[in-house]
Amino acid sequence: RKEVEQDPGPFNVPEGATVAFNCTYSNSASQSFFWYRQDCRKEPKLLMSVYSSGNEDGRFTAQLNRASQYISLLIRDSKLSDSATYLCVVPYSGGYQKVTFGTGTKLQVIP
Amino acid sequence: DVKVTQSSRYLVKRTGEKVFLECVQDMDHENMFWYRQDPGLGLRLIYFSYDVKMKEKGDIPEGYSVSREKKERFSLILESASTNQTSMYLCASSTSGTGYNSPLHFGNGTRLTVT
Repeated sequence: RKEVEQDPGPFNVPEGATVAFNCTYSNSASQSFFWYRQDCRKEPKLLMSVYSSGNEDGRFTAQLNRASQYISLLIRDSKLSDSATYLCVVPYSGGYQKVTFGTGTKLQVIP
Repeated sequence: DVKVTQSSRYLVKRTGEKVFLECVQDMDHENMFWYRQDPGLGLRLIYFSYDVKMKEKGDIPEGYSVSREKKERFSLILESASTNQTSMYLCASSTSGTGYNSPLHFGNGTRLTVT
């Protein structure tokens, strides 16, 4: 099993829709997780940190399911500006303070 | 706000040249990272440093070296550039102080083309 896996998409959703992405991970000892957003040809930017069961920030909710080893990102009331690639990040099983990035899920919000 | 600054946004170099990519962070972070990002492959860790003069190989260190002489600066060196090193290079930093993995803060990237 890969350290972290994401569905690459693309997810094409209409404005106002709710969309969810999952990310599975293999290191059962992982304690902290992150979702990053990356716009085309730009650097990744931190969207949310997940240290326990979940986190909510406005229209964005991240959930952690330790038993099944996945984290999810839910976006409510999608905006055109949400169109981006969303990267799941989990601690690296092989070293201190290193993390592993998923290859990302592409979201396209359509007018 | 954390600021991570990469010295060049775009670089074009010739095969065989020695290339230096510089990265500076202003938040006194202990950890610094160099990644490359290629379509379909995601971000891959080249090298990592958790302290001044300390370095650790990442997943793809071949053809690269690094230098961390000061806490705020982490340099990536391509000893002899090759066309397969054409890529987007991203520098990042994070703190060690929280007890958990801390989020990485990225510079805006250097798009390197080797011809």
